[in-house]
Amino acid sequence: GEDVEQSLFLSVREGDSSVINCTYTDSSSTYLYWYKQEPGAGLQLLTYIFSNMDMKQDQRLTVLLNKKDKHLSLRIADTQTGDSAIYFCAESDTGRRALTFGSGTRLQVQP
Amino acid sequence: GAVVSQHPSRVICKSGTSVKIECRSLDFQATTMFWYRQFPKQSLMLMATSNEGSKATYEQGVEKDKFLINHASLTLSTLTVTSAHPEDSSFYICSADRGRDTEAFFGQGTRLTVV
Repeated sequence: GEDVEQSLFLSVREGDSSVINCTYTDSSSTYLYWYKQEPGAGLQLLTYIFSNMDMKQDQRLTVLLNKKDKHLSLRIADTQTGDSAIYFCAESDTGRRALTFGSGTRLQVQP
Repeated sequence: GAVVSQHPSRVICKSGTSVKIECRSLDFQATTMFWYRQFPKQSLMLMATSNEGSKATYEQGVEKDKFLINHASLTLSTLTVTSAHPEDSSFYICSADRGRDTEAFFGQGTRLTVV
C-alpha cells in the first residue's frame, strides 16, 4: 500500500527558513498536499501541488517536488512563532480521493 | 464556500455506551465523505469511505459493526461508535469531497474520550 514518511521534529529560530521533508512510495500519486494542525484543532490546508509540477510558491510557502525520487518538501520563509504546529504531507490519486497522510512533523519555532 | 461542520467537537462518554458524530457539508453536496482517526501523537488514518445511499467501504482492520457509518443524504454523514471502550478514545475527523475539486474539505474534528 501507499506509504508516506516524514521526519518527526524540526526546531528553528524565528526569522529563519524551515524546510520540512516528505517521501512517498505510491507512483500513482497525483496530488500532494501540505496540512497544518495546531494543538487540539483540525486540519488546515496550506498548499498542494500536482504531480506534473516541480515547484509551487505561495507567499512564504514554497513546495518542491522531485517526482523521480518521490520527495516533497515544504519551505517556510521567515518562520514565525505562529508557525509552530504539526505539518502533515499527504497524497492521493485521482481515483481514490482519500488521503494517505505522513506521520507529521512537529515544527518548533524558538523566539 | 465548501465548509464542513463536524459535531460535537468534544465528547466524553462512559464505557459501553454509543456515541454519534455528525459531519455536514454546509454549502455543497458531498458525493463522498471520508472518516479518519488520529491517535495521540500519531498520524491520521483513513477508517472508511462513504458514498451517499450506499454502504461504506471500511479500511482493513476497522470493525464495521463497531463504527457504523450512515450517509443518508448528500450533506450528512454520521459515524456511530458503538459500545465504546477507552481504547476508542481518539480524534475523529471527517472530510467531504464534491467530486470536482483538487482538495477534500475537512471538518474541525471530534475529540472522543471514553471513561
